[in-house]
Amino acid sequence: EPEVTQTPSHQVTQMGQEVILRCVPISNHLYFYWYRQILGQKVEFLVSFYNNEISEKSEIFDDQFSVERPDGSNFTLKIRSTKLEDSAMYFCASSAFPGQGTDTQYFGPGTRLTVL
Amino acid sequence: DAKTTQPNSMESNEEEPVHLPCNHSTISGTDYIHWYRQLPSQGPEYVIHGLTSNVNNRMASLAIAEDRKSSTLILHRATLRDAAVYYCILRFYNQGGKLIFGQGTELSVKP
Repeated sequence: EPEVTQTPSHQVTQMGQEVILRCVPISNHLYFYWYRQILGQKVEFLVSFYNNEISEKSEIFDDQFSVERPDGSNFTLKIRSTKLEDSAMYFCASSAFPGQGTDTQYFGPGTRLTVL
Repeated sequence: DAKTTQPNSMESNEEEPVHLPCNHSTISGTDYIHWYRQLPSQGPEYVIHGLTSNVNNRMASLAIAEDRKSSTLILHRATLRDAAVYYCILRFYNQGGKLIFGQGTELSVKP
């Protein structure tokens, strides 16, 4: 069964450093997402991406964050200058049918980001 | 997005059925009811969705009240692997995009 993959599984970084989290969505999917989950809290939407541009972003997704689909398979989340409060699990997801309430999102296993 | 209400936690015994309730009294006629779950240390996973009729798939069944103000996710025989947080999420019929997760119901399964 196709699956979303994410690398690395765990990233440790120093405050102020840039990090890039990588995702490979399911190959025929068109809609891509990033979510995050701070330890013990609920899953929060960050950004959605369709047709090579951001479709929607949350208040969390400020100028320190950016997303990119650099080639036909990868989808990346960059945090330019990490803060302690960016420590969280980051989940990538993809779906096949944008714009429909029936679409199913498939999530990756997550990258645990620890900012020291 | 219409709001959903779920119990914070539930317990079940292994191999017994589990009924996970969700209230969504402000649901609109075109909102789909989706269920996802999150196993420990994993990403969320789609379980099932429906609109008006009851739905079955290999993972679970979804029973939707006639007035659609509530629904119940049914696991027919809980296993230890079903211990997870279960989320009930409403989605407008022509709206893809973000999923809005609440706190969900944490299901524990006892052997």
